Parts: sequence; C-alpha cells; structure tokens
Amino acid sequence: AQTVTQSQPEMSVQEAETVTLSCTYDTSESDYYLFWYKQPPSRQMILVIRQEAYKQQNATENRFSVNFQKAAKSFSLKISDSQLGDAAMYFCAYRRWGSQGNLIFGKGTKLSVKP
Amino acid sequence: GAVVSQHPSWVICKSGTSVKIECRSLDFQATTMFWYRQFPKQSLMLMATSNEGSKATYEQGVEKDKFLINHASLTLSTLTVTSAHPEDSSFYICSAPTSGGYEQFFGPGTRLTVL
Repeated sequence: AQTVTQSQPEMSVQEAETVTLSCTYDTSESDYYLFWYKQPPSRQMILVIRQEAYKQQNATENRFSVNFQKAAKSFSLKISDSQLGDAAMYFCAYRRWGSQGNLIFGKGTKLSVKP
Repeated sequence: GAVVSQHPSWVICKSGTSVKIECRSLDFQATTMFWYRQFPKQSLMLMATSNEGSKATYEQGVEKDKFLINHASLTLSTLTVTSAHPEDSSFYICSAPTSGGYEQFFGPGTRLTVL
C-alpha cells in the first residue's frame, strides 16, 4: 500500500521569505501523480501544484515549485516570496496513475506566515 | 476549473437521527466520487468510493450500514449517516475526478455536529 509522510507538523516563515515543506512517500509503482494541496481556514481544498512521476523536470506554478526526487521518493514544496495568504494547512498527496483513483494524503503541515 | 458543491455546509442533529449530505458535480459528469472524513487538526481519510450504477466501495473500518452511499446519477452522490452519534461529528468532504483527467475537484465540505 502507498503511504505519504509529512514530518513537519508546523512551519513558520517570515513574509517575503522562502520556505520548504517536506514530503516523502512509499510506493512500488513506477508511474503515479503527486500533488500539494492547500487547505485554508475555509477548509476548501485547493490544488497548488502537481507532478507526474515520469517527468524529470520539477513542476513550477508561479511562486510554488517542487523538488521531486523519484529515487529518494521525496517531493518537497518550496514557496517563494511568502505572502500572508499562504498561511494554511498543506497536504502532500499521492494518486495512482491511469485511473480515477482516490488521493492518499499525508498528515499535513500547518504553515504560518509572520508579517 | 470544474465545480463540486456540497449541501448542507453544516448541520447539527440529535443523537440517533439520520443526516443526508449531497455532493454534486455542477459542470461535469462524475462516474466516481470519493467521500473523505477529516477530524479536527487531522488529515483527510478516505471513507468510501461512490460508483454510479454500482455499489459503493468502503475502506476498511468504515461501516457500510452506517454510512450509506448512493450515486444516483452522473452528477450526484449522497452520503447518509444513519443513527448518528457524537463520535460521527466531523468534517465530510467529497471529491470527483474528471474523466480522463488527473485532477480531482473537491466540494467545500460539510461540518456535522451530533449532539
């Protein structure tokens, strides 16, 4: 079975600074998706970024980028130029390739942004 | 992006009563929908997979007779919590993948409080 581990329950960053959230996962499959979701206080899940495992290039979305290390099964999220609106719970998630399968979530990291 | 709605957004009920939560895909058809439960300060845990035209698939430890799922159409899945008890109080979130797509779209969630 696949598992997702987020080892940082809480993180804090100064506004305009950069922060990296860690995620590791375990799977025996070679093709899969990885995601980072943001859950603000409203609790609406918002997709931040995704990575297809077959792609070697790290995904980027504006201020958000990932460091995907397939061999190490690591998938960290870097937030640059942090903004107050980035404060939220961040969940790393795994999904099997080629199916409309469910997401497997890590326990989450609560990110605080200090003004 | 695609929109998924949930109704109600919050509900308070007495112990022993049943509560129905609706999940609708507003602008796409969803043969599959997922129901997650999220306890305070915890991650999302998959409860069951709702399949249009067939029985739902429940995760281990989830009582199918307590959490009744009906995927009535390609745009509607319902979760009925029968004989609710205080320990069923939680945040329930549904999601639906688009056909052939990588992304899942989440509803805004339903907060259930059982007195």
